[in-house]
Amino acid sequence: DGGITQSPKYLFRKEGQNVTLSCEQNLNHDAMYWYRQDPGQGLRLIYYSQIVNDFQKGDIAEGYSVSREKKESFPLTVTSAQKNPTAFYLCASSFRDRTYEQYFGPGTRLTVT
Amino acid sequence: QKEVEQDPGPLSVPEGAIVSLNCTYSNSAFQYFMWYRQYSRKGPELLMYTYSSGNKEDGRFTAQVDKSSKYISLFIRDSQPSDSATYLCAMSERAGFQKLVFGTGTRLLVSP
Repeated sequence: DGGITQSPKYLFRKEGQNVTLSCEQNLNHDAMYWYRQDPGQGLRLIYYSQIVNDFQKGDIAEGYSVSREKKESFPLTVTSAQKNPTAFYLCASSFRDRTYEQYFGPGTRLTVT
Repeated sequence: QKEVEQDPGPLSVPEGAIVSLNCTYSNSAFQYFMWYRQYSRKGPELLMYTYSSGNKEDGRFTAQVDKSSKYISLFIRDSQPSDSATYLCAMSERAGFQKLVFGTGTRLLVSP
């Protein structure tokens, strides 16, 4: 089955620790995205990548980092510099010329205490 | 003013009702309009997308775009308890890369 997987589903970390969230897709999509979802707010774009070895900052990139070494994978690192990291993180992917048609993974709930 | 406005709800309806979910927007350059369904603690699921104005139907779902009023709607016929979820609208100016602008979502509750 084609789709997007994110792991883990739940993640707990202590303040000051970096943590990496995994995102893998087998849809042969060129573009991948990371969003953050907080209660009462729309999805906010953290980073996006249109091709391998290239990525761009979204609206709220501070305190986050990404890599895109393979077409299928787009991991997100939440660093200790992110001031309010507790949130629901969503990964999505699309074909590069159909970015309106994004498909989402199941999400990772990160809690930092 | 937010670029996309969506009533948070909750919208409560009995099973079998016709549901109307709406978004308004301010950017007249938007041309692609999407509706996502999100169950609690899950990722959003793309229901349908529409290009420019007009209607699009898929089973019990109909998406409608009125660009002159900057208003989009999603209608759900014969609503079911399994339709209980949060519905997000999203918009984009073009097909090639541009970030999607999302509404905050409307929570729908369909009671048996």
